[in-house]
Amino acid sequence: DTGVSQNPRHKITKRGQNVTFRCDPISEHNRLYWYRQTLGQGPEFLTYFQNEAQLEKSRLLSDRFSAERPKGSFSTLEIQRTEQGDSAMYLCASSSPKVLAGDPVSYNEQFFGPGTRLTVL
Amino acid sequence: RKEVEQDPGPFNVPEGATVAFNCTYSNSASQSFFWYRQDCRKEPKLLMSVYSSGNEDGRFTAQLNRASQYISLLIRDSKLSDSATYLCVVNYNQGGKLIFGQGTELSVKP
Repeated sequence: DTGVSQNPRHKITKRGQNVTFRCDPISEHNRLYWYRQTLGQGPEFLTYFQNEAQLEKSRLLSDRFSAERPKGSFSTLEIQRTEQGDSAMYLCASSSPKVLAGDPVSYNEQFFGPGTRLTVL
Repeated sequence: RKEVEQDPGPFNVPEGATVAFNCTYSNSASQSFFWYRQDCRKEPKLLMSVYSSGNEDGRFTAQLNRASQYISLLIRDSKLSDSATYLCVVNYNQGGKLIFGQGTELSVKP
């Protein structure tokens, strides 16, 4: 399978514990994204990397959240001192933007992994 | 006001029906647009990009109206397997984050 993979798929933790999630993108993709999705809502952007550089972080990403992509391949997302409000699906996506002939726009089609469902008790 | 707005539905339609979803976006600097499909408790999957001139892929047709900041998705001859949530998505910095709508739930009945 050459798609985006995420581990673990499910994580149950107690409030106050630290958790770390891993994402392996599609191998030829240089961009990697983290999103969070709660029930009944669309995914919300958290942060993204181009190669190993973290280019943008959402204000949703409090100081308890940190993400890394040290070698420009896989990425980790760590949540410290988890709170019940952190319970959500954490989605990773990767992309390699394409340009269509005759179209001035670059299409950044992002492909998502299966997600890590976090439950904080 | 949300950056991307969709009617959450649900839309309940019989097999074979034609159904249309609409979406509006607030940022006129938005540059590229997509429709994603999401099945229950699964990840979003790219359905189609929405090109400036509009585009069609089998039973699915997407249109973009930049002047009105409006995107649409038309599904013809609905199948039971089309039942899912359809997410309208906008990207305004050519390579950065996607902004998702809340999603529109579609249920196709026999």
